[in-house]
Amino acid sequence: KAGVTQTPRYLIKTRGQQVTLSCSPISGHRSVSWYQQTPGQGLQFLFEYFSETQRNKGNFPGRFSGRQFSNSRSEMNVSTLELGDSALYLCASSLEDSPLNTEAFFGQGTRLTVV
Amino acid sequence: GENVEQHPSTLSVQEGDSAVIKCTYSDSASNYFPWYKQELGKGPQLIIDIRSNVGEKKDQRIAVTLNKTAKHFSLHITETQPEDSAVYFCAASRGYQKVTFGIGTKLQVIP
Repeated sequence: KAGVTQTPRYLIKTRGQQVTLSCSPISGHRSVSWYQQTPGQGLQFLFEYFSETQRNKGNFPGRFSGRQFSNSRSEMNVSTLELGDSALYLCASSLEDSPLNTEAFFGQGTRLTVV
Repeated sequence: GENVEQHPSTLSVQEGDSAVIKCTYSDSASNYFPWYKQELGKGPQLIIDIRSNVGEKKDQRIAVTLNKTAKHFSLHITETQPEDSAVYFCAASRGYQKVTFGIGTKLQVIP
């Protein structure tokens, strides 16, 4: 069974640009969550999608957005990039067919550098 | 919202010794507490989890304890090995709600 796949692995963007990151969850998983990881802040929750609907949202500005497609693949978009957006962006998927089945499986992440 | 505090931030132990990492959470409704291990260049990987209806869970050299009254939970690694060196994260959530992570503990096992 293939794991969670994130593309691209590395990305360098200029301030003011926008970026789209992609996440393919494990087959059959319907929930996809996104996290920002930085050395100082640890893992910060961005948002979570379930069956194409945003179910939970973290405390990030509106420049951060996401969506989920009918095949559960998800994308997150960051507009008007700032230097502080440089981070490892992690995607996690979980089956969530019941409240007891919430184990999250993480991808390797996309390393975004804003210059 | 939920707040998870984790300590220590760094931990060095001799190979063969035990390591303990502690976390506290603020939301008494949290009912799921996973622990993740993150190696360099990789995403976090679940190593053990515990639910609020259980006080302790063990898997080989790894064990987790939960004290709901005090709202804290701990990870215990016995007979540590060099390959246990990594960053460990605790987390808390309730049901389908967002997972809140601790800041992480960098564990170094000295051969």
